[in-house]
Amino acid sequence: EADIYQTPRYLVIGTGKKITLECSQTMGHDKMYWYQQDPGMELHLIHYSYGVNSTEKGDLSSESTVSRIRTEHFPLTLESARPSHTSQYLCASSDRGLNTGELFFGEGSRLTVL
Amino acid sequence: AQSVTQPDIHITVSEGASLELRCNYSYGATPYLFWYVQSPGQGLQLLLKYFSGDTLVQGIKGFEAEFKRSQSSFNLRKPSVHWSDAAEYFCAVGHGTPLVFGKGTRLSVIA
Repeated sequence: EADIYQTPRYLVIGTGKKITLECSQTMGHDKMYWYQQDPGMELHLIHYSYGVNSTEKGDLSSESTVSRIRTEHFPLTLESARPSHTSQYLCASSDRGLNTGELFFGEGSRLTVL
Repeated sequence: AQSVTQPDIHITVSEGASLELRCNYSYGATPYLFWYVQSPGQGLQLLLKYFSGDTLVQGIKGFEAEFKRSQSSFNLRKPSVHWSDAAEYFCAVGHGTPLVFGKGTRLSVIA
């Protein structure tokens, strides 16, 4: 059973608000990821990190930012939310030692911006 | 560039019938291949994975997949579908890099 947690699970906010989606894992994984999932299901990588103080942008351009100050924690922040940010955000982690890329996912944070 | 194609957006099968979900990939090196399942409102759960060796791999919930290098395919199969198998299914490819996912196939199961 994977131990990766996302909060909040659901969030409805107004335009212009700042939000932070939290992601924590207890598996000691070095690698962590954020995927954005469209209503039509497709997943897009928006950020990833291979360790503390390491962050990279993914394939899909995103106005969000991330930080990795602790191994277990990888929060995603939107400084000023817009309706176009409405989506599901999935956090995942993988074991750098095995280096297989196998991902363990959280249950997701569904964001609605009005 | 890495890519994954799942040709079927939506499949409907009868309960008890067999199932095959298709996945084709493009990858420059020996790929690691994965199938994930997503129930409504949930994250993705790993069904099975292929790294090397036997090209027929067994997973959870009675699923299996076969790696065919010559066809660049990694199709998912189940001999008898249960109503609880209704979900979204994603194929993914990678090798130590961030996984690339297909667009997914939605499986509906009818009585």
